[in-house]
Amino acid sequence: GAGVSQSPRYKVAKRGQDVALRCDPISGHVSLFWYQQALGQGPEFLTYFQNEAQLDKSGLPSDRFFAERPEGSVSTLKIQRTQQEDSAVYLCASSRRGRGGDQPQHFGDGTRLSIL
Amino acid sequence: QKEVEQNSGPLSVPEGAIASLNCTYSDRGSQSFFWYRQYSGKSPELIMSIYSNGDKEDGRFTAQLNKASQYVSLLIRDSQPSDSATYLCAVSNPNTGNQFYFGTGTSLTVIP
Repeated sequence: GAGVSQSPRYKVAKRGQDVALRCDPISGHVSLFWYQQALGQGPEFLTYFQNEAQLDKSGLPSDRFFAERPEGSVSTLKIQRTQQEDSAVYLCASSRRGRGGDQPQHFGDGTRLSIL
Repeated sequence: QKEVEQNSGPLSVPEGAIASLNCTYSDRGSQSFFWYRQYSGKSPELIMSIYSNGDKEDGRFTAQLNKASQYVSLLIRDSQPSDSATYLCAVSNPNTGNQFYFGTGTSLTVIP
């Protein structure tokens, strides 16, 4: 496809369950980002990949959050033992290779995660 | 202190008027600046990027950057009801990585 694709669009889980969110970036984009967006807030950075290398995971809120991009294309964000505070929209973005965030990031439609 | 600040609004303007959206940032090392539009329940959509001081125009949109004042703005001329959305300001600093720092967004309503 032409844009960033995320699945599922909506995910409801019970507290304590594990969830996995998928992102398929724009073809040829080497940089991939995950953001968390709470209601009424701007996106907050979680982690960044360049190809398959996770170069920055400073935004992951706890060790329950794990992301991977094993072949440098599709990425998965996994949240273990979900808590209610994990409820948010998880956005994936991709961009061309750049330096220091100078390339525009293109966002998927996000996964809206609700923890009951 | 948040790194990127925007007035949350709501900002209401009549159709055909100029909408002015403002953003200030605290990191003086920031070098890349972006405006995104986000409709309710949708993903952020890139409108403009700006890297140098001054104005950059694209159709009805003009971005203005003043690094000395740590200020970036977006002007929307001839506002249309379809411009009603939340506008997000994003900033990046090459010395702190590739991520964007976003403001909380300004909600704009264009009244027909």
